[in-house]
Amino acid sequence: GEDVEQSLFLSVREGDSSVINCTYTDSSSTYLYWYKQEPGAGLQLLTYIFSNMDMKQDQRLTVLLNKKDKHLSLRIADTQTGDSAIYFCAEGLMDSSYKLIFGSGTRLLVRP
Amino acid sequence: GAVVSQHPSRVICKSGTSVKIECRSLDFQATTMFWYRQFPKKSLMLMATSNEGSKATYEQGVEKDKFLINHASLTLSTLTVTSAHPEDSSFYICSARRPGGSGANVLTFGAGSRLTVL
Repeated sequence: GEDVEQSLFLSVREGDSSVINCTYTDSSSTYLYWYKQEPGAGLQLLTYIFSNMDMKQDQRLTVLLNKKDKHLSLRIADTQTGDSAIYFCAEGLMDSSYKLIFGSGTRLLVRP
Repeated sequence: GAVVSQHPSRVICKSGTSVKIECRSLDFQATTMFWYRQFPKKSLMLMATSNEGSKATYEQGVEKDKFLINHASLTLSTLTVTSAHPEDSSFYICSARRPGGSGANVLTFGAGSRLTVL
């Protein structure tokens, strides 16, 4: 079955870059997503990448996809304290269900 | 932009009672909505797919009679936790699919509802 894994915790200093990693198992995924969740809130779509792309950049965010290794990463440049949150990667299945399978989430702590 | 409203955001109830959570798409019609459950410091677990005008499709291991889903209109899906017990305490999040949305940017999430069963 589908499985998405992430490291649980990342701590960086303000101004540094953050890299959050994710691995997935379903090679037929169409899109791969990064969501941000702040405490007690829902999910905010940050960015996504189509499965036939290697890289996507969106302002401070860079997504890298290694389809061969089924590895996805999110790089946040110039990390700010407001970036502290839980980051979820998710894979969208190839079927028409529009289901998303989420990873366990990486808690990012940005130290001043 | 597309907005999904969930209500209530927080609810506390006694064991044995039933609780209803609403998920509304405010500015679009959603033929499909999804209900997720999130345990503390855990990922989101898909519970069911809610289809307007038909029965919900439940994921394996989710009790249909425990978690009743109704999608009676194109803008509203409800999740009713029946005979709630403390182990049902969790954060429940819905998402709605915008018809006609293309590619990846087709789902909008609600802000979630925190259920605490005493």
